[in-house]
Amino acid sequence: DVKVTQSSRYLVKRTGEKVFLECVQDMDHENMFWYRQDPGLGLRLIYFSYDVKMKEKGDIPEGYSVSREKKERFSLILESASTNQTSMYLCASIQGGRGYTFGSGTRLTVV
Amino acid sequence: RKEVEQDPGPFNVPEGATVAFNCTYSNSASQSFFWYRQDCRKEPKLLMSVYSSGNEDGRFTAQLNRASQYISLLIRDSKLSDSATYLCVVLTDKLIFGTGTRLQVFP
Repeated sequence: DVKVTQSSRYLVKRTGEKVFLECVQDMDHENMFWYRQDPGLGLRLIYFSYDVKMKEKGDIPEGYSVSREKKERFSLILESASTNQTSMYLCASIQGGRGYTFGSGTRLTVV
Repeated sequence: RKEVEQDPGPFNVPEGATVAFNCTYSNSASQSFFWYRQDCRKEPKLLMSVYSSGNEDGRFTAQLNRASQYISLLIRDSKLSDSATYLCVVLTDKLIFGTGTRLQVFP
């Protein structure tokens, strides 16, 4: 089975801090994604990447950036965390046209 | 209009009941369709893909109606362990998730 690992399950950060969320997959997948999930809004795509050093904006990229230096690792960066970025962050990986495999999520609280 | 719409529920059903969820999508060029299950405070997990001819996996049956642009999920003989949120997912150039339908099965 594909394993997608997110480095932290719960995270609390202060407003203005730079925050790194790490995601690693072990199946040599090319495509990786970052979503955030909020009540009533569902999953919204922040950024995705089809290959190393490639990145594409999703639906809500503002306030975020990403890094994909190695195929297995896709990092989400909050340049200056704000309270409206308090959310559940989910990383996902896919190969081909099948459904995604998600990491277990990082619940980020910005205070 | 949202690209993928679901009734948020909750659907409260007794054990053994049959329950059906519907989902509509707006993009007629959508290519693939999925149902995901998400337990409370956990990540979504793929439940099943939805094929044009309809498909069944044990107690779960998924149907696709391209003309009306909706997909459905039928759960027969509901178990307590089926309690979760069910997400309808549509693939266009990316995966679009519905906000989910919450199911609560009670004894």
